[in-house]
Amino acid sequence: RKEVEQDPGPFNVPEGATVAFNCTYSNSASQSFFWYRQDCRKEPKLLMSVYSSGNEDGRFTAQLNRASQYISLLIRDSKLSDSATYLCVVSPASGGSYIPTFGRGTSLIVHP
Amino acid sequence: GAVVSQHPSRVICKSGTSVKIECRSLDFQATTMFWYRQFPKQSLMLMATSNEGSKATYEQGVEKDKFLINHASLTLSTLTVTSAHPEDSSFYICSARAQGAGGYGYTFGSGTRLTVV
Repeated sequence: RKEVEQDPGPFNVPEGATVAFNCTYSNSASQSFFWYRQDCRKEPKLLMSVYSSGNEDGRFTAQLNRASQYISLLIRDSKLSDSATYLCVVSPASGGSYIPTFGRGTSLIVHP
Repeated sequence: GAVVSQHPSRVICKSGTSVKIECRSLDFQATTMFWYRQFPKQSLMLMATSNEGSKATYEQGVEKDKFLINHASLTLSTLTVTSAHPEDSSFYICSARAQGAGGYGYTFGSGTRLTVV
């Protein structure tokens, strides 16, 4: 089993739709969780950190389920500009020297 | 927020030559930096972990003599692709995380697109 697994998609949704991605991780000792966004031929950029209590940033909501070892990302009212690959990132601890593990990414295509 | 500067952003070189890629943390000190490679339509692959003042740790299958990493200061790590060949053509990205960053996560450089002809 891979350490971090994501459905590669693509998820093809119309503008205005709500879409959700899940990511499962195998290391129960994981402490830090993130969602990144990567546009074609660009570097990944932090979308949001994921906290145990769940967190929301505008149209984006991230949640963590430690018991089931998965994190989720919900995007409401999808925009064309949301089209990108969304990467789930898990780290064993909060320090900067701990190697993060990336999922393969989930591709989202928002169409008019 | 934490910023990582990477350059060059794009380089085209002849087969057999060496290419150096620099990665700088601009507003924080990075004792550890990560180097990744990404081929088209594939996920990020960790190549090595660069540690300030000590030898880098390479992932399995990555040739340390071909991909030389130097992390001489707390703000600079370099990756040198030696004797580059067309199969080394890829997108190389560095990453670091500011200490005590909390929710900052890992910051990436803008990447270097290497084309070996």
